[in-house]
Formats: sequence, structure tokens, C-alpha cells
Amino acid sequence: DAMVIQNPRYQVTQFGKPVTLSCSQTLNHNVMYWYQQKSSQAPKLLFHYYDKDFNNEADTPDNFQSRRPNTSFCFLDIRSPGLGDAAMYLCATSRVGQQRYNEQFFGPGTRLTVL
Amino acid sequence: QKEVEQNSGPLSVPEGAIASLNCTYSDRGSQSFFWYRQYSGKSPELIMFIYSNGDKEDGRFTAQLNKASQYVSLLIRDSQPSDSATYLCAVRKSGGSYIPTFGRGTSLIVHP
Repeated sequence: DAMVIQNPRYQVTQFGKPVTLSCSQTLNHNVMYWYQQKSSQAPKLLFHYYDKDFNNEADTPDNFQSRRPNTSFCFLDIRSPGLGDAAMYLCATSRVGQQRYNEQFFGPGTRLTVL
Repeated sequence: QKEVEQNSGPLSVPEGAIASLNCTYSDRGSQSFFWYRQYSGKSPELIMFIYSNGDKEDGRFTAQLNKASQYVSLLIRDSQPSDSATYLCAVRKSGGSYIPTFGRGTSLIVHP
């Protein structure tokens, strides 16, 4: 089945220790998104790639970076995690340009704990 | 006014009842509307989308859109305890934007 996969599902890191979260997709979607979601809050868009074009949200801290080496994979790098970065990180994909709705499909998420 | 507003709830309904979840949005030109279900600790799952005024039905779910009043709702018929989750409304605005804006969700509890 076509899907969005995130690894790891759970990540524990220490304060200030860099961490990388990964996302892969078999949907062949051209847009990949990274969201941060904290308890009882809406998902917050950090950035997204439209094909190879990187689009950063204005309020995304510099501590967060992303890479998309090819269509299928996208990575979220947190250079120096702080306690406030503990959250669920969601990867989503959509196909833009060919469909009217551009609905997003989410991966299972990575729960990040910062000690 | 928030761009997408939902009552955080919780909305509590008995098993077998109709659950009605509402969402209002501020951009009058918004084009597409999505409902996601999110179980505790899990990721959002798309359950419905709608873009035309009126009703759209899929099994026990009905999405209702009223662009003049700028609201979209989700009805769940014959509610089951397994429907207990947070329901997120997402709206794709006008102007060619392909990125939806999410509401913070309504928590639904279906009790036996």
C-alpha cells in the first residue's frame, strides 16, 4: 500500500544533542511537509518542500532545518533541541497541481522527548 | 478572529446518537475543506473533504458546507465509542494556496 513512513516512531534525546527525524513516501507526491504538534494544539507547519524548492515558515526557529535529497525522502534536523521542542513531529505529503483538493496524507509521527 | 475556529470540547454524546462538529473560517474565498480524525497519540487521518456548498455523505459521516455563512460541519451518525477522538478541521484558503490552515480540533467522547 502507498503510504507515508516516519522513523523513528519515538526519539529520546538530550538537551542540546542534535537529532534527525526521517520521512519517506511511496505516494509519489511532489510536496512534503513537516509539522510540529503539541498536546491539544493544532499542527504547526514548520516548512515544506514543493518538489526541490524549500519553503520556510516565518516563525520557524533557525534550530530547525530540513533536507529533501530526492522525491521520496525528507529529513528534519533539530540542531540543538531544547525542552520546548518536545512534541509530536508529523510528516505529510500532498500532490499539488493535478488535483483540485490537494489533500494531505500524514505519516504516523515521531514523538520526541528531550531530557 | 482566528482563521479556523473549532470548539475544543469535549463534546460528549451517547452511543448511537448523532455527533455534530462545527468549524468556522474567516477567509470568505476559501476553497477546500477537510476533516481529519486524530486518536490520542496518533497522527491525523483524513476522513472527509468537501468543496461545494451542501452535503457530502460517506458512510456514517456527512460533511456540510455553507460558504455564505462560512462554516463547515461534520455529522457522525450512529456514533460508536471507537469514534472517540479529536476531529481537526482544515481549510485551504483562496489565492492559490495549497497549504491548509488547521483548527485546534474538537474532542469527541462517545460513551456507551
